[in-house]
Amino acid sequence: QVQLQQSGAELAKPGSSVKISCKASGYTFTSYYISWIKQTTGQGLEYIGYINTGSGGTNYNEKFKGKATLTVDKSSSTAFMQLSSLTPDDSAVYYCARSDTIAAIPLYYFDYWGQGVMVTVSS
Amino acid sequence: DIQMTQSPHSLSASLGETVSIECLASEGISNYLAWYQQKPGKSPQLLIYYASSLQDGVPSRFSGSGSGTQYSLKISNMQPEDEGVYYCQQGYKYPPTFGSGTKLEIK
Repeated sequence: QVQLQQSGAELAKPGSSVKISCKASGYTFTSYYISWIKQTTGQGLEYIGYINTGSGGTNYNEKFKGKATLTVDKSSSTAFMQLSSLTPDDSAVYYCARSDTIAAIPLYYFDYWGQGVMVTVSS
Repeated sequence: DIQMTQSPHSLSASLGETVSIECLASEGISNYLAWYQQKPGKSPQLLIYYASSLQDGVPSRFSGSGSGTQYSLKISNMQPEDEGVYYCQQGYKYPPTFGSGTKLEIK
């Protein structure tokens, strides 16, 4: 069965970085893109960007350029998101989610989600 | 970015009742509309995509409709497991954007 298993909760200090992972199983990893989505109580669900798991190509929401860096390790079927220069506003639950493609064009609906990673930024 | 406005913000329904949740896009999205259900402490689950296509494994009491800028999710014969927060999401223009959610409770 399809699973996206994310890494554990993170407690980070302002100004630092965290790197969270999303390990896929149960399907051909490179046949689907991986997107990342931020959830907070105040802002709701916000789309961060996606990575083409085959080529490593990325597309970021303008709002998260410079904040998030998406990478992939095809050998382990794992996608990563690094968040840098953390501030308290980055405290949130971060999800990875799978989306299908047609002719290498992503379809922007998400059929499987990871369990989420809570990132807390506090001094 | 396309703004997605959901209504109502919350509602309560009795078991067996039919409920509807509305989603209004700030511009036409050509049926590129998905609905998700989220339960406390869990990740969102896809219910409907392309406005009216039922995701595999989702009960047929869930249905979606709409066109242009206006879309709706209907839940027929409300069941206890249908409690949760429901989100709409447009996938027409990048970046995808989500509605603010509708909290559905059992009356």
